[in-house]
Amino acid sequence: ETGVTQTPRHLVMGMTNKKSLKCEQHLGHNAMYWYKQSAKKPLELMFVYNFKEQTENNSVPSRFSPECPNSSHLFLHLHTLQPEDSALYLCASSQDGTASNSPLHFGNGTRLTVT
Amino acid sequence: KNQVEQSPQSLIILEGKNCTLQCNYTVSPFSNLRWYKQDTGRGPVSLTIMTFSENTKSNGRYTATLDADTKQSSLHITASQLSDSASYICVVSSDSWGKLQFGAGTQVVVTP
Repeated sequence: ETGVTQTPRHLVMGMTNKKSLKCEQHLGHNAMYWYKQSAKKPLELMFVYNFKEQTENNSVPSRFSPECPNSSHLFLHLHTLQPEDSALYLCASSQDGTASNSPLHFGNGTRLTVT
Repeated sequence: KNQVEQSPQSLIILEGKNCTLQCNYTVSPFSNLRWYKQDTGRGPVSLTIMTFSENTKSNGRYTATLDADTKQSSLHITASQLSDSASYICVVSSDSWGKLQFGAGTQVVVTP
């Protein structure tokens, strides 16, 4: 196991639904991230949290709303999504911010399908 | 245009053979370069991290090289195994704030 757990693994939702993705890290890291991975495209950074504070929002539409209640947990709240939001959503953590040489530890992702 | 370009996009190799994946980047200033392995249905797993002063680093049968002058890196897989079938992603850390630029990955299929 990677030490980063994401639930659910798969999610199908309609465009009018509200759902949440959950991420928990057991590594004692201080930084957590949400990434979007679409087929054959590079990973896209969505949000970064350092010590529970959001330090980056990469121009993500407001229909995605992150929440970081503590250094071990990260949520991504979803509402009124579009079909083009269908993708693999990856959570990651690192000991420090990415400015250091510490590697990112990824969860296994949530495969999201918007119908 | 993506600042991290990987080639080939995909390749098929026979079990036991060697292969080399390429990563060219235009990211500047450079902090470090990382290679990740992503199995189907799983998240990426770190293989190597190299800073400016390192030109080679190994992790078992995986050997990464870095030429910071030409802004090129390669990942060599020796004596490939079926478990090496995966996507290999090159990631470059671009500046003092550590913003990461991801390549689109090379899909490797190892056949018996």
